[in-house]
Amino acid sequence: QKEVEQDPGPLSVPEGAIVSLNCTYSNSAFQYFMWYRQYSRKGPELLMYTYSSGNKEDGRFTAQVDKSSKYISLFIRDSQPSDSATYLCAMSAHSQAGTALIFGKGTTLSVSS
Amino acid sequence: GAGVSQSPSNKVTEKGKDVELRCDPISGHTALYWYRQSLGQGLEFLIYFQGNSAPDKSGLPSDRFSAERTGGSVSTLTIQRTQQEDSAVYLCASSTPHGSYEQYFGPGTRLTVT
Repeated sequence: QKEVEQDPGPLSVPEGAIVSLNCTYSNSAFQYFMWYRQYSRKGPELLMYTYSSGNKEDGRFTAQVDKSSKYISLFIRDSQPSDSATYLCAMSAHSQAGTALIFGKGTTLSVSS
Repeated sequence: GAGVSQSPSNKVTEKGKDVELRCDPISGHTALYWYRQSLGQGLEFLIYFQGNSAPDKSGLPSDRFSAERTGGSVSTLTIQRTQQEDSAVYLCASSTPHGSYEQYFGPGTRLTVT
């Protein structure tokens, strides 16, 4: 079992839909949970990070962490064609420099207008 | 401010040749990371620098891979005697010393070994 599992999709939705992206993990030591967005032929762009369990909202994006279930989610409200990208979840156990992020393989999202 | 920059953006090389990939981190970020992104494999950690030292080289896939960082800034990843399985996107990221969960990535170097 890989440390972080993420459904690769692709996920296709119409403009305006609510999108739910998810990851599961096996390492209970993970405390930091990140979501990155990666456009084609670009580097990953940090969207949000959450420490421990709970919710965090930033505009149309909401990140949720359920440590008891080892399950994290990213919700995108009122999705736009510009949201079409690959979304990567990433996790780490510490904040100290040198802590490598453990990534899921990414979910490809397509939002049609 | 300026983000992480990498060069070249694309590199095509023949099997057996050596290549050098360059990363210029965000100013003030003392931590620098190299990752590799292969098709269908996700991002794989290669090496980390704090300042000019590399305390963690555990992710380097073979002794053909090496990296250095000078002046606490620019880093170079060198792959010797390239093989076709080295074809991938090589990504560099940087962070502050206590914010490794906020790693900022460059655009990557797409390496193709023919």
